[in-house]
Amino acid sequence: AQSVSQHNHHVILSEAASLELGCNYSYGGTVNLFWYVQYPGQHLQLLLKYFSGDPLVKGIKGFEAEFIKSKFSFNLRKPSVQWSDTAEYFCAVRSYDMRFGAGTRLTVKP
Amino acid sequence: DAGVIQSPRHEVTEMGQEVTLRCKPISGHDYLFWYRQTMMRGLELLIYFNNNVPIDDSGMPEDRFSAKMPNASFSTLKIQPSEPRDSAVYFCASRDRANQPQHFGDGTRLSIL
Repeated sequence: AQSVSQHNHHVILSEAASLELGCNYSYGGTVNLFWYVQYPGQHLQLLLKYFSGDPLVKGIKGFEAEFIKSKFSFNLRKPSVQWSDTAEYFCAVRSYDMRFGAGTRLTVKP
Repeated sequence: DAGVIQSPRHEVTEMGQEVTLRCKPISGHDYLFWYRQTMMRGLELLIYFNNNVPIDDSGMPEDRFSAKMPNASFSTLKIQPSEPRDSAVYFCASRDRANQPQHFGDGTRLSIL
C-alpha cells in the first residue's frame, strides 16, 4: 500500500542545533514531494516542494530538503534551529492523490 | 487574496447532532480538498473535488460523512449524526491546477461531546 513514513514523532533540540527530519515513501512512480509546517494554533503552511530538477530543494526560513530517489526519501534539514521553529512538520507525497506522514513535533529549547 | 476561508473556527456540539463545516476556496482554484487531523491518525485526506465534481471520496470514514460543492466558491462537509470519535480538526485546502501546492485554511476544531 502507498504510505508516507516520518521516523520521529517528537524531536527536542536546543537552539543552534542542527535538524534533520526523516521522510520515506512507498510510491513507485513519479511523485511530487512537500514539507508543510504547522505552528502552534495556526494552519498548515508550505515549507518547500520538489517536482523535478535539482534534488536539493531550498525552502523558506532556512530549511532545505534532499530528494534521494534510490532511497525513496525526502529528508528535511536546517543547519541551526531557532526557538521559533517549534512546530509540527508534515511530509507529504503526491502521485495519484496526496498522502501525509503522521507528522513530527519539533520542540526547540531556548 | 484572502486565502482559504473556513467556518466555523470552533464547533462544540453534542453527539447525535448534525454538524456542517464550510469552506470557501481561493478564487480561481479548481481543486478543493477536505482533510481531518487527529492525534492518533495524523492528517488524512477525506475527499477532493475538481471543478466542483467529487473525484475521490475513498477517505470518507463512513456514510455519516458527506461533502458537497454546489459551486466553485463554496463547499460543505456534513456529519450526521455526529459521534465523539469525530472530534478532530478539519482542514480545507485548494489549489489552482496540477503540480501546484495546496493552500490550507485555518481549520475547524470540532468537539463532539
